[in-house]
Formats: sequence, C-alpha cells, structure tokens
Amino acid sequence: AQSVSQHNHHVILSEAASLELGCNYSYGGTVNLFWYVQYPGQHLQLLLKYFSGDPLVKGIKGFEAEFIKSKFSFNLRKPSVQWSDTAEYFCAVNGPNTGGFKTIFGAGTRLFVKA
Amino acid sequence: DVKVTQSSRYLVKRTGEKVFLECVQDMDHENMFWYRQDPGLGLRLIYFSYDVKMKEKGDIPEGYSVSREKKERFSLILESASTNQTSMYLCASSGTSGSSGELFFGEGSRLTVL
Repeated sequence: AQSVSQHNHHVILSEAASLELGCNYSYGGTVNLFWYVQYPGQHLQLLLKYFSGDPLVKGIKGFEAEFIKSKFSFNLRKPSVQWSDTAEYFCAVNGPNTGGFKTIFGAGTRLFVKA
Repeated sequence: DVKVTQSSRYLVKRTGEKVFLECVQDMDHENMFWYRQDPGLGLRLIYFSYDVKMKEKGDIPEGYSVSREKKERFSLILESASTNQTSMYLCASSGTSGSSGELFFGEGSRLTVL
C-alpha cells in the first residue's frame, strides 16, 4: 500500500544537539510535502512545506527540510535543538496520486529535548 | 489568521449513543476534513468535503457520517458510538487556489466512549 513512513517514533536529544527526522513516501508523480508540528496541548500547525522550486526549504524556528526526489524523501533538520522543540512532528504528502489531493500523514515522531 | 473551531474539547459518551462533533472555519475555505489521531498511527482521514453538500469518504469512514450544509461548518456524526471510536478527532480546512493544500487544524475533540 502507498504510504508515508517516518523512521523514528520517539527521539530523545539534549539541548544543542542536531536533529534529523526521516520521512519517505511512496507516491509517484507530482507531490506537495509538509511537516506539521504539535506542541504539547496545542493544535497541529504547519512547520514548513514544499511544492516546487528550491528543494531545500526553510520553515519556522530554524527548521529546514530537503526534498530528494530520487529517494522519495523529505527529511526534517535543525542544527541545534532547544527544549521548546519538544513536540510531535508529522510528515505529510498530497498530490494527484494520493487520491484526489487528500493529505496523507505519517505516524508521527515524538521528540523530547532534555534541558 | 485562519481559525478552525471545534465545539467540544472533551466528550465522554456511552456505547450506542449518537455523537455530533461540530467544526467551524472562518476563512471561507472550500475544503474541510475530519481526521482521527491515534498514538503510533498518525492522522487517518475519515471524511472530507470540497463543497457544500458534497462529501467524500476517506480511508476509515466506517461507523461515521458527515454533514456540510454551510460552507463554514462541517459536522462529524457517530450514529452509534463504540469503544473503538475512542480517539482524538481533528477538523481541518484548506483553500483551493494557490494553497498547495496546506491544512489548518482545530484544537481537537477528545472523545471517550465507555
């Protein structure tokens, strides 16, 4: 079945460590790619998105993600995490091949940053 | 800012009860969605609507129905709640032109079915 896969379900880091969260998808053709974040007690919100142009996209709070079409990947990175980055992160994909532009989500990665 | 408002943050219902979850958005978005969020499973699409009175099944529509009588409002209905419908329900909306499908979410409705 076609899907969105996030490599890690739980990640624990110390402050100032570098972060990379993996995301792979299996849909061919044109895709729009997203990372959403859910901070404790808050609603899901967009972190960054890619739909065309420069495959390296920058989002809020120092996050960036790189679209590698040949690898069907859209990994999220941050050079130095902060305690306030503790949250759950979701990779998501939409496009003609997700079924009428439905947005398909990965299972999520819970990040805990130790102060 | 886009605001998506879900009427109930927390609900506790008994098996067999009918449950209504309401969602209202204020940005004149064409598309509205209902997801459920479960640990380890991410968000799974229940139903979506791309216009008033239009609805499409998502990936897990069984046991649910929806209603969209007005553009700003999208309701999720559980005709006869069951314990396996205990979950967090998220409503979202998106525009059509130039938005690439970015979703704007409500704060969620946590439903417990006893």
